[in-house]
Amino acid sequence: DGGITQSPKYLFRKEGQNVTLSCEQNLNHDAMYWYRQDPGQGLRLIYYSQIVNDFQKGDIAEGYSVSREKKESFPLTVTSAQKNPTAFYLCASRRNEKLFFGSGTQLSVL
Amino acid sequence: KNEVEQSPQNLTAQEGEFITINCSYSVGISALHWLQQHPGGGIVSLFMLSSGKKKHGRLIATINIQEKHSSLHITASHPRDSAVYICAVQVGGGADGLTFGKGTHLIIQP
Repeated sequence: DGGITQSPKYLFRKEGQNVTLSCEQNLNHDAMYWYRQDPGQGLRLIYYSQIVNDFQKGDIAEGYSVSREKKESFPLTVTSAQKNPTAFYLCASRRNEKLFFGSGTQLSVL
Repeated sequence: KNEVEQSPQNLTAQEGEFITINCSYSVGISALHWLQQHPGGGIVSLFMLSSGKKKHGRLIATINIQEKHSSLHITASHPRDSAVYICAVQVGGGADGLTFGKGTHLIIQP
């Protein structure tokens, strides 16, 4: 079945540590997105990519980095510069205005 | 930037009841999405509409472009409908142009 796979489901970060969240899709979609979800708030866009080797900052990109070396993969790195990383992170893709989401990664700080 | 307001924030109903969730936005849009987020966190796209009405099974979505308002209805509600329902609006054709509401937490009691 086609879809978006996010891993791990739960991730813990120590102070000063960078962590990487994985997002893989086999839908052959060009556009991919990373969103952050905090309790009681709407999803906020971190980064997006419309094509391989190209990506753009979203509304809250500070403290995060991404790469898009392959169409299928769009990993998100939460760097030590992100001072409040505890949140639920969702990866998504889009084709013809329809959205497809992964199951998410819950990141917590130790 | 578009403001997206959903109401109610929380809704508890009995099985079989007719459910309505509302979404209002502040500026003109090109499309509106209704999404469903299950307790595990994964999000599923229910509808994308730019005018009129769409129906899928027991779910009905309507939009009034002039009034900048959309509703999601659930007929013959069932406990498996318990989820967070999220409204998202698209302004223009830009890949990053989605603004999300905070969601409506729906609980259907047997």
